[in-house]
Amino acid sequence: GENVEQHPSTLSVQEGDSAVIKCTYSDSASNYFPWYKQELGKRPQLIIDIRSNVGEKKDQRIAVTLNKTAKHFSLHITETQPEDSAVYFCAASMDSSYKLIFGSGTRLLVRP
Amino acid sequence: EPEVTQTPSHQVTQMGQEVILRCVPISNHLYFYWYRQILGQKVEFLVSFYNNEISEKSEIFDDQFSVERPDGSNFTLKIRSTKLEDSAMYFCASSRMGAGGPDEQFFGPGTRLTVL
Repeated sequence: GENVEQHPSTLSVQEGDSAVIKCTYSDSASNYFPWYKQELGKRPQLIIDIRSNVGEKKDQRIAVTLNKTAKHFSLHITETQPEDSAVYFCAASMDSSYKLIFGSGTRLLVRP
Repeated sequence: EPEVTQTPSHQVTQMGQEVILRCVPISNHLYFYWYRQILGQKVEFLVSFYNNEISEKSEIFDDQFSVERPDGSNFTLKIRSTKLEDSAMYFCASSRMGAGGPDEQFFGPGTRLTVL
């Protein structure tokens, strides 16, 4: 079955710097890749997603890139703010199975 | 904005007891899911549900688990005989039908299950 690897497990950046989180997936049939932000004790919330028919998507300070050949996708956060501090999960799914397979999460700390 | 709701927020039970976790998906959504997250770990898929039947289930979703949509609004997860290792946060999620299949999954706030 599908397996999603996520790196790094923790990331500490200075406010204003950029943060990059990377994920790889194993099943080439995966075609939907969402990113969720989870604050402590809260529900995962979708922050951006990308489908396999595009290579990049941007929403203000957040962007996601997808390399289908290499089977990896990345989350980019620019001009980080302390409120960006949270755990970020990548996930993958495919049309034949709508379940989300999550990565192991990245704890992002933005230092003021 | 509509949200997925879950009750209770926290459930404490004795090992071997049955628990029912309840979810109210977003009203126009057609796909429903249960996930669990053991403390400090990643979110894991349990089961998906569409058109009043299970679409897919994971290895975790063994015979002690069952799901039901008893009416037009609720979606429940039952654990028949709880074990210590069932302690986790259980998230319900729902999604509507998009152009190419289910759309974005919206998660509920979760039920923290503690098995003693």
